[in-house]
Amino acid sequence: DQQVKQNSPSLSVQEGRISILNCDYTNSMFDYFLWYKKYPAEGPTFLISISSIKDKNEDGRFTVFLNKSAKHLSLHIVPSQPGDSAVYFCPSFGNEKLTFGTGTRLTIIP
Amino acid sequence: NAGVTQTPKFQVLKTGQSMTLQCAQDMNHNSMYWYRQDPGMGLRLIYYSASEGTTDKGEVPNGYNVSRLNKREFSLRLESAAPSQTSVYFCASSGQGRYGYTFGSGTRLTVV
Repeated sequence: DQQVKQNSPSLSVQEGRISILNCDYTNSMFDYFLWYKKYPAEGPTFLISISSIKDKNEDGRFTVFLNKSAKHLSLHIVPSQPGDSAVYFCPSFGNEKLTFGTGTRLTIIP
Repeated sequence: NAGVTQTPKFQVLKTGQSMTLQCAQDMNHNSMYWYRQDPGMGLRLIYYSASEGTTDKGEVPNGYNVSRLNKREFSLRLESAAPSQTSVYFCASSGQGRYGYTFGSGTRLTVV
């Protein structure tokens, strides 16, 4: 039973435009939601997080939004840069474990 | 500043062979994890160790065993490898829970 779902396996965005990545979750008991970024042949790295009691968190070009009523999480990247091309995961944190979704491959087109 | 080190980086096994994937961290983290990544499946937790001396099953533990040798090292063993265990394996450690996860660069395992 997958608790976090990323329904878009891939996304292509023009450089300089906004990239929006989405996640839906089923378990309302998660404490935190996070975004991790993964380049090929490397392990995932932490990008940004949001507490379940907040609805927005911003860090530079990256903003994460949490819609608790819709059980929906999104990551906005503005402006998108070529180095943002990677696979993005939205694992949820609960019971001291990270549970990952399937990831979305973001490609930034120069 | 090594972080999390995994060995080997690549391995090819024949069905039925055994092997141990090694993982070591130098950040004095309490918790360590083993994940596998498969196409279309994301990263799935195999086993984890919340502290030295403890281990717990994750989402997909069948066919694997683990050993938390000491605070630094957490190994994953395949006793009798199967083609379904062909995957990329990632080890991670955490000292602060939610965003303290540091991942290794992975071990690409092929079972033929």
